[in-house]
Amino acid sequence: ETGVTQSPTHLIKTRGQQVTLRCSSQSGHNTVSWYQQALGQGPQFIFQYYREEENGRGNFPPRFSGLQFPNYSSELNVNALELDDSALYLCASSGRVRDSPLHFGNGTRLTVT
Amino acid sequence: TQLLEQSPQFLSIQEGENLTVYCNSSSVFSSLQWYRQEPGEGPVLLVTVVTGGEVKKLKRLTFQFGDARKDSSLHITAAQPGDTGLYLCAGHPLGGGADGLTFGKGTHLIIQP
Repeated sequence: ETGVTQSPTHLIKTRGQQVTLRCSSQSGHNTVSWYQQALGQGPQFIFQYYREEENGRGNFPPRFSGLQFPNYSSELNVNALELDDSALYLCASSGRVRDSPLHFGNGTRLTVT
Repeated sequence: TQLLEQSPQFLSIQEGENLTVYCNSSSVFSSLQWYRQEPGEGPVLLVTVVTGGEVKKLKRLTFQFGDARKDSSLHITAAQPGDTGLYLCAGHPLGGGADGLTFGKGTHLIIQP
């Protein structure tokens, strides 16, 4: 069974730039969600994708957007980066049922300077 | 306002001691999940508690869900250095809109040899 993989592992960007983060979900999982984890905090829900459509979104501005592909892999795009966007970005895959456990990747550490 | 409050925020104890960490809310949750996160990795699911008053055991770890489904606790017996990590509770509040999990800020646990 292949787990959730994320790329890149680390990234440094400048304020105002755009970034794309990638995630391959665990085999058999059709739902992907993205979380932002600031230093010393718990993860915060960004959005969730199911069957290539966004079907849930947390309190994040529209400059955070995503895609899910037919093979269930996913991308997170962030435009107009701000310093506060510096965080660990976690991708998680799961089954469709609401309380299904999440299987997380090891995240992408984004630093915005 | 944090929907899930975890306490203590930090805990450092000696190997062999017992400890309890707490996850509290004023909201009712359909279920609560506990995750452990180690540095440089994503959270890993430990257990899901679903029924009010439920107690689940995972080797030296005992998880309890409050009768009113607003709180949960994790008790570790004879802690070992391998228990070191960030312990996160998470769940979906009843009536919550977004599909994503709500996480607490976590308890940073250090077990010293």
